[in-house]
Amino acid sequence: DAKTTQPTSMDCAEGRAANLPCNHSTISGNEYVYWYRQIHSQGPQYIIHGLKNNETNEMASLIITEDRKSSTLILPHATLRDTAVYYCIVRGPYSNSGYALNFGKGTSLLVTP
Amino acid sequence: KAGVTQTPRYLIKTRGQQVTLSCSPISGHRSVSWYQQTPGQGLQFLFEYFSETQRNKGNFPGRFSGRQFSNSRSEMNVSTLELGDSALYLCASSSSIQGAVSPLHFGNGTRLTVT
Repeated sequence: DAKTTQPTSMDCAEGRAANLPCNHSTISGNEYVYWYRQIHSQGPQYIIHGLKNNETNEMASLIITEDRKSSTLILPHATLRDTAVYYCIVRGPYSNSGYALNFGKGTSLLVTP
Repeated sequence: KAGVTQTPRYLIKTRGQQVTLSCSPISGHRSVSWYQQTPGQGLQFLFEYFSETQRNKGNFPGRFSGRQFSNSRSEMNVSTLELGDSALYLCASSSSIQGAVSPLHFGNGTRLTVT
């Protein structure tokens, strides 16, 4: 699986957009970009995933560059409840050899009042 | 739809004992994975089961084992507990089949403390 690089920490003011970057320069053609977040003492929560097109759901938007070497997760109107560790993961489709995610260290996002 | 359920939520054991953790996946999900989370190592993959078969295993000693039942429920067992086994153990389920792309859905974990 391709390696990802994320900033260790970021701050965002409540109500503003939070833009979390992720570099994945060695991504392969069939690998997807996934974003999860983990709020303290809870299990990771799936946010969004994408292959090459931009994606949007009720939680966030995912912008993937045309060369697919980087992406940005956008939380359009951050709230205090969005304070969490955000993980960017690159992984191919499920196969018979199993499915393991490499979470890395993630980005610790602090949303401030 | 009910989420992934893990029991117990908290557990305290003594070195040398063994422990069994339980996970009930989302209804219809056939893949169950286990992860260990510690402050020093972060989230690490333990193993994954699909239709009662272990598909993949992480780099953990043989003291860590698991199984999956015909109803997709899964258990993991840790024998001869060590202090370093203190961690949050997370279970995740997925509807993944070969070639599919579907996210993992995690439970809130079992917090194991070894004294």
